Formats: sequence, C-alpha cells, structure tokens
Amino acid sequence: KAGVTQTPRYLIKTRGQQVTLSCSPISGHRSVSWYQQTPGQGLQFLFEYFSETQRNKGNFPGRFSGRQFSNSRSEMNVSTLELGDSALYLCASSLRGLSGANVLTFGAGSRLTVL
Amino acid sequence: AQRVTQPEKLLSVFKGAPVELKCNYSYSGSPELFWYVQYSRQRLQLLLRHISRESIKGFTADLNKGETSFHLKKPFAQEEDSAMYYCAVGSSNTGKLIFGQGTTLQVKP
Repeated sequence: KAGVTQTPRYLIKTRGQQVTLSCSPISGHRSVSWYQQTPGQGLQFLFEYFSETQRNKGNFPGRFSGRQFSNSRSEMNVSTLELGDSALYLCASSLRGLSGANVLTFGAGSRLTVL
Repeated sequence: AQRVTQPEKLLSVFKGAPVELKCNYSYSGSPELFWYVQYSRQRLQLLLRHISRESIKGFTADLNKGETSFHLKKPFAQEEDSAMYYCAVGSSNTGKLIFGQGTTLQVKP
C-alpha cells in the first residue's frame, strides 16, 4: 500500500510569507502527527490530529497551525515566516487506538527554506 | 521535564564489533520507548519498540525503568547498519513522541 505522501517536497519562501504543507496518510490511518526537524533542535513535535480534531500540541507559536480533513488528509500552515522556520517538516501517520503506543510511519518530508 | 538524551552524536566502530547506542529518558507516567532509524537518503522508520521485545536486524533494546534507560545493542555490527539512530519516548495511544538528538553510527570495513 502507498506510504505517507507529503507535498510539496521542496519549497522556498521569503520572510513574512505563509506556507501550507500537505500530508496524505496511509489508507486507514486516522492519526496524523507533524514534526519539525532542524540540525540544531532535532526532531520536535508540532501537533497531532485524530478524527479531524487536534489531540496534542507541541511548544510552537501560534503561527504554526494545522487541520485534518474527513479523509484523514492533513495540512499544516505557517504564517509570517521567519528565517528560523527553515526546516524539514515531517508528517507521520498511525493506527491510533490499538493497544500500545502508536507506531509512526513517516513521510519523506517537505523541506522549507525561508530567505 | 520530559526529555530523551542520547549522549553520543557519533559512534564509530569496525565491522564485527559490538555496538551499544545509549538512550536515557525522563518521562512522567508510563512511557513507551522506541528506536527509529534513518538510513542515507531514506525515510525515518521504526526499528523496534520495547513492548514488542523483538530483535530487528540483530538489534535489541531493553527498557531499564530503574535507570530510565533504553540502550540499543547489537553484538556484531555490519556496514549496512551505518545510519542515524533516534531514541524516542511517548505515551500509549498518542502520536506525540519526544525524540533524542540522534546518534550517527558509522561502521567501518
């Protein structure tokens, strides 16, 4: 079955602009999580969506937001971009609800460069 | 504070040597522990999780709740094990994981 698909794979924006990233989870997976990966901070949790509801949120400013649609596809948006937002944004999907913690399946990521 | 510490940024060993990648965690509640791996030009993927108690690609990890550690071990390293390894902790039934900074394992021929 198809894996987690993220689009776009690469994008370049300038400070002050906004960006929307998209994630299509594995078919049947209803939980989608987003992570930011940078050389300095490593992998940091942004937020998790399950059944169109945000279930967990990391320590990021309100400029970072997301949503999930009824087909489990998710988008994240970053407004008023700053240079420090340059990162690889990873999406992961999982079968939430089974015993034990989620096993996350990651996408290839969207690499955002802010100039 | 919830935290995962991987003290080594880089671990370099020769092929056939034993490997131990260290992971210590600080977490309230009942944690679930994972090791994820990222091979060159590939996606981040699950290697193993403590509740499975299985060996994947020769790697094992034992959860030591007393020492709050979850070290990853392999008795004989192979060149194809060269990758970035991340230790992660989370709660049951959540997609929120706290990752360590990662350890690059380099296995030399």
